Amino acid sequence: QKEVEQNSGPLSVPEGAIASLNCTYSDRGSQSFFWYRQYSGKSPELIMSIYSNGDKEDGRFTAQLNKASQYVSLLIRDSQPSDSATYLCAVNMMAGGGFKTIFGAGTRLFVKA
Amino acid sequence: DAGVTQSPTHLIKTRGQQVTLRCSPKSGHDTVSWYQQALGQGPQFIFQYYEEEERQRGNFPDRFSGHQFPNYSSELNVNALLLGDSALYLCASSLVLAGGGNEQFFGPGTRLTVL
Repeated sequence: QKEVEQNSGPLSVPEGAIASLNCTYSDRGSQSFFWYRQYSGKSPELIMSIYSNGDKEDGRFTAQLNKASQYVSLLIRDSQPSDSATYLCAVNMMAGGGFKTIFGAGTRLFVKA
Repeated sequence: DAGVTQSPTHLIKTRGQQVTLRCSPKSGHDTVSWYQQALGQGPQFIFQYYEEEERQRGNFPDRFSGHQFPNYSSELNVNALLLGDSALYLCASSLVLAGGGNEQFFGPGTRLTVL
């Protein structure tokens, strides 16, 4: 079992629709969860962080965390063509006074105009 | 406020050579992590430096080594390069928080090609 799993996609949604991206993780002790957006040929850009169960909203983005189910999701409302990118789920695993961040392989999102 | 910077942007090496990549963290950050990203994959954690020491390490061989300087900047060294080391190398910086949030911000990356 991979430590962080995402559907590779591609996920295709029409402009203005809601895009739903999902992620599961294996380490029950994980406390910090992140979503990054990565455009082709660029480095990852942090768009959301979430640490507690429930929803966290920031503009058109909503992150949802369910630690009991070991599940993290990202909703993008009113999707725009500029949202077309790969979305990476990342989980911090604490150990030995530090942490290491494990990334999923990413989900490619296409927003059709 | 300067973000994370990396140098060089691109690098071409041949098998068996050695390479050094450099990273300057975002202002105010004290922790630097290095990642390797192959095409179509998520970033893979190499190691993390804090207070000039390696605190965490991923599943990478000893050919991969690093260093952190007193000004928090960092280097990644790779010896005896293999074709499979061709990838985008990413540096991310963060600030150690008591609550463990540790949001990381990435530099633009160094594209390494091994021929």
